[in-house]
Amino acid sequence: AQRVTQPEKLLSVFKGAPVELKCNYSYSGSPELFWYVQYSRQRLQLLLRHISRESIKGFTADLNKGETSFHLKKPFAQEEDSAMYYCALSRPDFGNEKLTFGTGTRLTIIP
Amino acid sequence: DAGVTQSPTHLIKTRGQQVTLRCSPKSGHDTVSWYQQALGQGPQFIFQYYEEEERQRGNFPDRFSGHQFPNYSSELNVNALLLGDSALYLCASSLVAGLYGYTFGSGTRLTVV
Repeated sequence: AQRVTQPEKLLSVFKGAPVELKCNYSYSGSPELFWYVQYSRQRLQLLLRHISRESIKGFTADLNKGETSFHLKKPFAQEEDSAMYYCALSRPDFGNEKLTFGTGTRLTIIP
Repeated sequence: DAGVTQSPTHLIKTRGQQVTLRCSPKSGHDTVSWYQQALGQGPQFIFQYYEEEERQRGNFPDRFSGHQFPNYSSELNVNALLLGDSALYLCASSLVAGLYGYTFGSGTRLTVV
């Protein structure tokens, strides 16, 4: 069975400082990894998917298969980055039929 | 495009009652998935509907059932409600299962008293 672990429930970072939200996964096959974000009073929305290799709102994430990690990073935090962040995994071999989420990290940017 | 629409937004039910939640997918999407998000937890997959059939199911009891209509909208039914069913229920729509990613609705907040 697949599992996603986000070790930090809460993370506070000063504005302008680097941000790293940790995500580790366990899955025997080749997963697809995602970061979803939920801003205050808004719906869950896709931030990044690893196959896209994009940088969205200054965030990047690299899939490290050796360490089974998909950490989310941003070099300079902004106040608007304060939100709830969820790491999620799907299984392309099973048609990406569902997302398995971690428990989430609440990021607070201190002005 | 209104995206994924869920109704109602909030609901209070009594233990033992039954509830029906509704979801209209994003225009052009043919697949609907349901997730339960308990307080302080990430969303947990309940099941997915594609071509009016349940395609995949998570680790939820048979009290949780669903339906997809020909217009791709979907319902989630929960029978014999328990206090532990109190949660935010999210609907996510997609095209061809999850091949191109999922779009989430705002959710229905169910409180069981």
